[in-house]
Amino acid sequence: DAGITQSPRHKVTETGTPVTLRCHQTENHRYMYWYRQDPGHGLRLIHYSYGVKDTDKGEVSDGYSVSRSKTEDFLLTLESATSSQTSVYFCAISDDPIQGAFFGQGTRLTVV
Amino acid sequence: GENVEQHPSTLSVQEGDSAVIKCTYSDSASNYFPWYKQELGKGPQLIIDIRSNVGEKKDQRIAVTLNKTAKHFSLHITETQPEDSAVYFCAASTSQAGTALIFGKGTTLSVSS
Repeated sequence: DAGITQSPRHKVTETGTPVTLRCHQTENHRYMYWYRQDPGHGLRLIHYSYGVKDTDKGEVSDGYSVSRSKTEDFLLTLESATSSQTSVYFCAISDDPIQGAFFGQGTRLTVV
Repeated sequence: GENVEQHPSTLSVQEGDSAVIKCTYSDSASNYFPWYKQELGKGPQLIIDIRSNVGEKKDQRIAVTLNKTAKHFSLHITETQPEDSAVYFCAASTSQAGTALIFGKGTTLSVSS
């Protein structure tokens, strides 16, 4: 999967707790993305990064924050998890926005 | 911002038939249009893409067409096989710095033998 590792792969957490998902790449790609996938909604962009410490919001960024202190790592944090954030989260990387992005295997997050 | 509409949401065909999935986009600055295939329990995988300076691209049984005037692009799969069954996503992007792919909602393709 193009050198992308998401961790954890599965997580169950309680409402109100903070959660951090990690995306690690070994491809040295400049761009990294976080998407969430929900039935009936497809893939929706949460946040993305176009370089170290350069990030921007996507269409569903409320309740999420990100950080990228190194090229290889992109962290997604849910400050206070809610049941509406139960979803499958995908990280993707690309070397250029006009080239295809490569996706990780996903993290299934359940907020109870 | 960009908006991508994808139709149909589900598509059932017999093995050997053709399948067509259509997408429209809103941002006239979009110039890159990839298609992804997602199998159950896996991440989406890029299967074909097209850039705005090309009208059609083929790769074996898969082809993509682009009509920039109408702002729509389509995926064509010929001689479908059961292993083509999956969820297919279209996406659009621009070449501006700090941009990202915006996806359609997906099409679930079922190929029955």
